Amino acid sequence: AQSVAQPEDQVNVAEGNPLTVKCTYSVSGNPYLFWYVQYPNRGLQFLLKYITGDNLVKGSYGFEAEFNKSQTSFHLKKPSALVSDSALYFCAAYSGYSTLTFGKGTMLLVSP
Amino acid sequence: NAGVTQTPKFRVLKTGQSMTLLCAQDMNHEYMYWYRQDPGMGLRLIHYSVGEGTTAKGEVPDGYNVSRLKKQNFLLGLESAAPSQTSVYFCASSYSRTGPNTGELFFGEGSRLTVL
Repeated sequence: AQSVAQPEDQVNVAEGNPLTVKCTYSVSGNPYLFWYVQYPNRGLQFLLKYITGDNLVKGSYGFEAEFNKSQTSFHLKKPSALVSDSALYFCAAYSGYSTLTFGKGTMLLVSP
Repeated sequence: NAGVTQTPKFRVLKTGQSMTLLCAQDMNHEYMYWYRQDPGMGLRLIHYSVGEGTTAKGEVPDGYNVSRLKKQNFLLGLESAAPSQTSVYFCASSYSRTGPNTGELFFGEGSRLTVL
């Protein structure tokens, strides 16, 4: 069975500082990895994905994520956080032969 | 372009009552999904459909039924609501499992259901 772990319930960062939201996965075969963002009282929005190729994936709103096969990780990063980045972030994965499995989410709080 | 639309957005039920949540998408997507979101639990898949006339069970299907009579609509039914079904329900749709858009789900705004 596939699984996704987001070890931090909440990440706090000051505006202008770099941010990292952690994700590890367990998927049979080659993983398809995703990050989604949820703003208050809204549905999830797709941010970025890794299917194959370059381990550093760039997505919307200046976010990027690094795929590390040996550590089975797919951490979300941004060089300079904005207050408007405050939201709930979900990592998700699947193997291509099943449905998407989501992590439990990490709340990102960016302080002014 | 409305994307994925869910109705109703809010509903309060008494234990034992029934109701149906409607999801409509206008993107001609083949795949549709129903998730529930609970604090500390993330999103859990209830049922999904890979095309018109098909449905399949997800991670937490008990107490729910679904139908996909038309490609653009995916209905989630609760036959006899229980307090444990108090949650926020999200519908999503996607093109397919393969191709450049693999795994990109488009979500509705959510339906908040309270069962007393």
